[in-house]
Amino acid sequence: EAQVTQNPRYLITVTGKKLTVTCSQNMNHEYMSWYRQDPGLGLRQIYYSMNVEVTDKGDVPEGYKVSRKEKRNFPLILESPSPNQTSLYFCASSLSLAGFNEQFFGPGTRLTVL
Amino acid sequence: DAKTTQPPSMDCAEGRAANLPCNHSTISGNEYVYWYRQIHSQGPQYIIHGLKNNETNEMASLIITEDRKSSTLILPHATLRDTAVYYCTYVAVETSGSRLTFGEGTQLTVNP
Repeated sequence: EAQVTQNPRYLITVTGKKLTVTCSQNMNHEYMSWYRQDPGLGLRQIYYSMNVEVTDKGDVPEGYKVSRKEKRNFPLILESPSPNQTSLYFCASSLSLAGFNEQFFGPGTRLTVL
Repeated sequence: DAKTTQPPSMDCAEGRAANLPCNHSTISGNEYVYWYRQIHSQGPQYIIHGLKNNETNEMASLIITEDRKSSTLILPHATLRDTAVYYCTYVAVETSGSRLTFGEGTQLTVNP
């Protein structure tokens, strides 16, 4: 089944404790993104990657890191989480950049930083 | 960023058509209109997209006005499983695989 998976689905952590949220897709998609969703602010892009070893900042990259060493994986790293990073996070992938592209979203990771 | 206006909520009876409006008056000629939906807090799910012409797929129909400043998503026979938040957005053709921005969308509630 074509899908985007994320782990963990739920995470409660404390300020400053490094964490990684994994994302994997099995559709051989070139383009992957991380978003966060917050009430009143909608869906905002954090980082994106156009292919292996190619990443770039989205709208709200501060406090986050990403890597794309393999085409299928795109982990999101919070080196020193803070309470304002409490949010619902989604990973997404799409086949390419241009033309019609459906973005496939993962199930989400609900992160709480105390 | 895509600036769209959608009603915050709508109700629909099961089996009836649900018509969800969206205003996107700042859309440019090379930008697709996309509709996604989100059930509870699951990942958003693609529904349909269009550029100029009306479109139909197995999930829905999309009607785009001639001036492209607004569109309507039609779910022809709404079911309880269609209860979700529906998002309208638009993205340039050249970068349509790139970032999406969603506002608050329309909460559609389908009632038995």
